[in-house]
Amino acid sequence: DSGVTQTPKHLITATGQRVTLRCSPRSGDLSVYWYQQSLDQGLQFLIQYYNGEERAKGNILERFSAQQFPDLHSELNLSSLELGDSALYFCASSGSAREAYNEQFFGPGTRLTVL
Amino acid sequence: DQQVKQNSPSLSVQEGRISILNCDYTNSMFDYFLWYKKYPAEGPTFLISISSIKDKNEDGRFTVFLNKSAKHLSLHIVPSQPGDSAVYFCAAAIMNSGYSTLTFGKGTMLLVSP
Repeated sequence: DSGVTQTPKHLITATGQRVTLRCSPRSGDLSVYWYQQSLDQGLQFLIQYYNGEERAKGNILERFSAQQFPDLHSELNLSSLELGDSALYFCASSGSAREAYNEQFFGPGTRLTVL
Repeated sequence: DQQVKQNSPSLSVQEGRISILNCDYTNSMFDYFLWYKKYPAEGPTFLISISSIKDKNEDGRFTVFLNKSAKHLSLHIVPSQPGDSAVYFCAAAIMNSGYSTLTFGKGTMLLVSP
């Protein structure tokens, strides 16, 4: 158990809908990262927050947004969903913004299916 | 454009033998490399890392080798055990950029048979 929790585990929705994925980092970790893993891709970095502020952006679509709250949990909002958004979404946390020197701990992921 | 490439989608090895997983990268700015292991229905877990100032890092049965001139790294597992069966992801980072992020390869599925 990494100490990172993600809810829900599975989510099935329809095209055009909006969903929210939730992540609670390990106790004390300030950085939260979101990744997408689709069938034909590796882990694609989406976005990073550090202590409530956006720190880095990767291949995140404009239809997607995220935020980190004062209690450090984070939410990833996906809107106007398309079939191609079906994927595993992982959240990871680490102790500092210089994350590559600090191991990133991954949650179990949320599997999103868009029908 | 894939900056981190794992060209073997899968690898099968017998228990007790050596497993060698390979990774190539194209961005010469990468200066820190990591391997993650992922079991089904779980998130990836950190395995081992190496800085670009080194060419080898060892941790128990796991050794990572880095060849900067070839932009190539490899993970050696000796001896391989059935419990090592998992997907292995190679990742790279640019540490001197300040706040770095990880770029992952697509993964190699390792199957270790008894």
